[in-house]
Amino acid sequence: DADVTQTPRNRITKTGKRIMLECSQTKGHDRMYWYRQDPGLGLRLIYYSFDVKDINKGEISDGYSVSRQAQAKFSLSLESAIPNQTALYFCATSDSTEARGYTFGSGTRLTVV
Amino acid sequence: RKEVEQDPGPFNVPEGATVAFNCTYSNSASQSFFWYRQDCRKEPKLLMSVYSSGNEDGRFTAQLNRASQYISLLIRDSKLSDSATYLCVVRGNTGGFKTIFGAGTRLFVKA
Repeated sequence: DADVTQTPRNRITKTGKRIMLECSQTKGHDRMYWYRQDPGLGLRLIYYSFDVKDINKGEISDGYSVSRQAQAKFSLSLESAIPNQTALYFCATSDSTEARGYTFGSGTRLTVV
Repeated sequence: RKEVEQDPGPFNVPEGATVAFNCTYSNSASQSFFWYRQDCRKEPKLLMSVYSSGNEDGRFTAQLNRASQYISLLIRDSKLSDSATYLCVVRGNTGGFKTIFGAGTRLFVKA
């Protein structure tokens, strides 16, 4: 099994719909992150959580919300999806030192039509 | 100026060539540095950390130049399988969240 699992892998949704992307990890890491990736723009941080009771906005949090249900689970919601939220979404984890970098999930390819 | 900048490429090199990428960063207080590899439509994977004295892992050598605020990745004897996008990551230690990803450099190794 993968260390970081994202579901779904692919999703097409309509404008205005609510959608949740889920992430679970078996690394035992405290820190979890949600990024989106668009061609030519690299990875941009949406939200991050350093432990279960800690939630922080990243550089592009507008239109998104998150929930850290447990140490191992961190979900991302789009309350009312819009077409410019079409992107590749990655969940990642790290230990508290970040000395070994991040472990990423396989990504969710989201298309909003 | 972007906090972390990379030449997007693409770099097109023949098999067996040596190729080098640089990545510049703007925050002089940055503490940790990494190179990740990302295959098309796949997740980034950690390639190597970058240590102050430079470090090597097989055909890959990473170096840090604090004075000029850049890190580099050298790939020797390029293989077709090295074709990917290489992301540099810079992390500071001053308040807030300080891990920044570069947009990546694309490498194509051709037979």
